[in-house]
Amino acid sequence: AQSVAQPEDQVNVAEGNPLTVKCTYSVSGNPYLFWYVQYPNRGLQFLLKYITGDNLVKGSYGFEAEFNKSQTSFHLKKPSALVSDSALYFCAVRDLASGAGSYQLTFGKGTKLSVIP
Amino acid sequence: ETGVTQTPRHLVMGMTNKKSLKCEQHLGHNAMYWYKQSAKKPLELMFVYNFKEQTENNSVPSRFSPECPNSSHLFLHLHTLQPEDSALYLCASSQEGTSGRLYTDTQYFGPGTRLTVL
Repeated sequence: AQSVAQPEDQVNVAEGNPLTVKCTYSVSGNPYLFWYVQYPNRGLQFLLKYITGDNLVKGSYGFEAEFNKSQTSFHLKKPSALVSDSALYFCAVRDLASGAGSYQLTFGKGTKLSVIP
Repeated sequence: ETGVTQTPRHLVMGMTNKKSLKCEQHLGHNAMYWYKQSAKKPLELMFVYNFKEQTENNSVPSRFSPECPNSSHLFLHLHTLQPEDSALYLCASSQEGTSGRLYTDTQYFGPGTRLTVL
């Protein structure tokens, strides 16, 4: 079974400071990893994903994430936070061992990011 | 805009009503999904359709009935719901591979329908 943990319900950061939103995962095979963002009363927007290759993945709006296989982590980062980054962030994993016939994308509970002016 | 639209955006219904949620994707994808998002709970996958066939049904009560008439449209028919069914219902789509081939399978989400059951 696959699972995702986002250990922080909320992260507060001052505008201009670097931000990190943590995510750890558990899969039996190799993982597909995703980050999504959700603004109030909106659906989820895709930010970035890791499938294979370079461990540092760059995505939308200046976000990046680092895949660390030994620590089974995929933390989301941004060098300089903006007030407009305040939103709910979701990490998700899909186990490649499940094969093309399985569509289960498991989401974490989400982390609320608040960027303080 | 993600290329996935949902209507209505808000719905209030009584426990004895029958209503339907609609999702349409303009991305040419072959897989569509219904998720339920409740407060302080992870997203729950409800149904998956691939090439118009239902491939997964995660133990969803029969008061929720999906319909996928073609690869661009997905419906969720609702009847005799309970107050605990109040949630944000999200539709998503992706391009899934056929046997032996994997696609990027990024799921793109619609804006959701906020459902309130009185």
